Amino acid sequence: SQKIEQNSEALNIQEGKTATLTCNYTNYSPAYLQWYRQDPGRGPVFLLLIRENEKEKRKERLKVTFDTTLKQSLFHITASQPADSATYLCALDGHTGNQFYFGTGTSLTVIP
Amino acid sequence: NAGVTQTPKFRILKIGQSMTLQCAQDMNHNYMYWYRQDPGMGLKLIYYSVGAGITDKGEVPNGYNVSRSTTEDFPLRLELAAPSQTSVYFCASSYSRDGAKNIQYFGAGTRLSVL
Repeated sequence: SQKIEQNSEALNIQEGKTATLTCNYTNYSPAYLQWYRQDPGRGPVFLLLIRENEKEKRKERLKVTFDTTLKQSLFHITASQPADSATYLCALDGHTGNQFYFGTGTSLTVIP
Repeated sequence: NAGVTQTPKFRILKIGQSMTLQCAQDMNHNYMYWYRQDPGMGLKLIYYSVGAGITDKGEVPNGYNVSRSTTEDFPLRLELAAPSQTSVYFCASSYSRDGAKNIQYFGAGTRLSVL
């Protein structure tokens, strides 16, 4: 079965630095991978999608990479701000594209 | 637009009771999903639907049932509540189309405690 691992430890970084979050997966080759943000007490919100044939995707201060050989995606937030503090989830599509498998999430705290 | 609306926001059930978690979306999305999220864990898919009248099991369907009689509504039924069903439940919807497949829009969640 699919196994998705994200940074198990919470990540604390100083404001202005770049945060890098990791998503590793095994036993699977997804067609695409998504990243979501979740604030306490709220549902996840979609951030970025990257396809298997794309190496990198950017949106404002966000950057996602996708290495299908390493079975890994990296999520970067540059010039981080306290407002970026949240839990970030990666999600992989299932074989039929109808199901999704989510990682456990990484809690990010940006310290002013 | 309201997006995905879940009711109730909170509920406490006694063991053996039944309840229905409601989910409605106004985005005309064809796909709808139910997830549960336990503390420190990721989202686990319970059931999903690719359109009205079509439902299928996800990773953790035991103890739950769903129906999809309309595009807008996707209720989740717990028949005999057990403490293991204490969790936060999220409903999501998406529109599957080429090039922009399955970006999911989530509701605010229902916090359920079974005591």
